[in-house]
Amino acid sequence: GAVVSQHPSWVICKSGTSVKIECRSLDFQATTMFWYRQFPKQSLMLMATSNEGSKATYEQGVEKDKFLINHASLTLSTLTVTSAHPEDSSFYICSSLRQGLYNEQFFGPGTRLTVL
Amino acid sequence: KNEVEQSPQNLTAQEGEFITINCSYSVGISALHWLQQHPGGGIVSLFMLSSGKKKHGRLIATINIQEKHSSLHITASHPRDSAVYICAVKYSSGSRLTFGEGTQLTVNP
Repeated sequence: GAVVSQHPSWVICKSGTSVKIECRSLDFQATTMFWYRQFPKQSLMLMATSNEGSKATYEQGVEKDKFLINHASLTLSTLTVTSAHPEDSSFYICSSLRQGLYNEQFFGPGTRLTVL
Repeated sequence: KNEVEQSPQNLTAQEGEFITINCSYSVGISALHWLQQHPGGGIVSLFMLSSGKKKHGRLIATINIQEKHSSLHITASHPRDSAVYICAVKYSSGSRLTFGEGTQLTVNP
């Protein structure tokens, strides 16, 4: 099946620093990628939809200046958590959309962010 | 109230048992996904279906469009099947997925 990778798989940082998470679509070109956040024991929450070559679409309540998304190529989207705070500690998951007859989504393995 | 409801929330089974996890949704959909999330967090897409039934190994997924209901079955369950199983739907009017709360499955040896 299609493969989506994320890097890093986990990261620990100090409060106030910025962290960049990469999401790569390895098997197909993806004009659309999604970024999700998941808190313990909770379901995935969509943060934003990343569109290649244009600005990301953010969900209500998600600060676009805090969670910077760049989708500069058809195989790479990045999420940068700026000035991270402990409440940003979470599991971040990306997903690539393979457009076609079924518009199937493929999920990355996730990145565990811990902000001290 | 979540638009996608799963049951049960938690399920414990003995190795070898037949397992069923249910998912109900409220309005018309274009597709339904069953996902598996292991303790490490990574998500694996098990099935995507819009009608009928799909089978892969010991896993079977069915969907009844009229009743707005889907089931995931695991035959001859094994401890390695222990994970959270998540139902997610794509509504006809949009492109995003709406996720259920997940079902925590534990299969004991």
